[in-house]
Amino acid sequence: DVKVTQSSRYLVKRTGEKVFLECVQDMDHENMFWYRQDPGLGLRLIYFSYDVKMKEKGDIPEGYSVSREKKERFSLILESASTSQTSMYLCASNSQGLVQYFGPGTRLTVT
Amino acid sequence: GQQLNQSPQSMFIQEGEDVSMNCTSSSIFNTWLWYKQDPGEGPVLLIALYKAGELTSNGRLTAQFGITRKDSFLNISASIPSDVGIYFCAGHGTSYGKLTFGQGTILTVHP
Repeated sequence: DVKVTQSSRYLVKRTGEKVFLECVQDMDHENMFWYRQDPGLGLRLIYFSYDVKMKEKGDIPEGYSVSREKKERFSLILESASTSQTSMYLCASNSQGLVQYFGPGTRLTVT
Repeated sequence: GQQLNQSPQSMFIQEGEDVSMNCTSSSIFNTWLWYKQDPGEGPVLLIALYKAGELTSNGRLTAQFGITRKDSFLNISASIPSDVGIYFCAGHGTSYGKLTFGQGTILTVHP
């Protein structure tokens, strides 16, 4: 079974803090993705990576950065968290096929 | 960028009723996927459609890839309480590995 894990299910941070969200997949997938999910807006792509040390901007990259130092791990970084970044964050991965496999999500609250 | 319009946004139904939801796009997609997200979890793939006109079933679920390649629908027959969740359509066009997601349909099933 494909397994995508995320470091935290719930996270509460203060405005201005630097926040790291970690995602690990165990299926040797080349591609990894970070989405945010907001009510009525569906899943919006923040960044994705198709190889180690490679990254591409998604539809809403502003305020975020990413890091992929190892194939199995993809990190999302909020350099200076803001209340507008309160959301559910979902990580996903896939290989040559199009089907993406998702982690359980991290619900981030920025106060 | 590409956008998907998913409807309805929410549905409240009685157990045993049939459900229908759909996605439309202004752009052509080459693949349509339907995911379900249980409360507190990440989305899980239900059905994948790879060919225009394709009709695919998975138990009580049936999905179709529209002949114009700009739409898809998902039907659930004889709904049960565990069908509760958010259903997402996703389309793939030409962008490498990337999916475009609909806004989601929130399904509530009353026993």
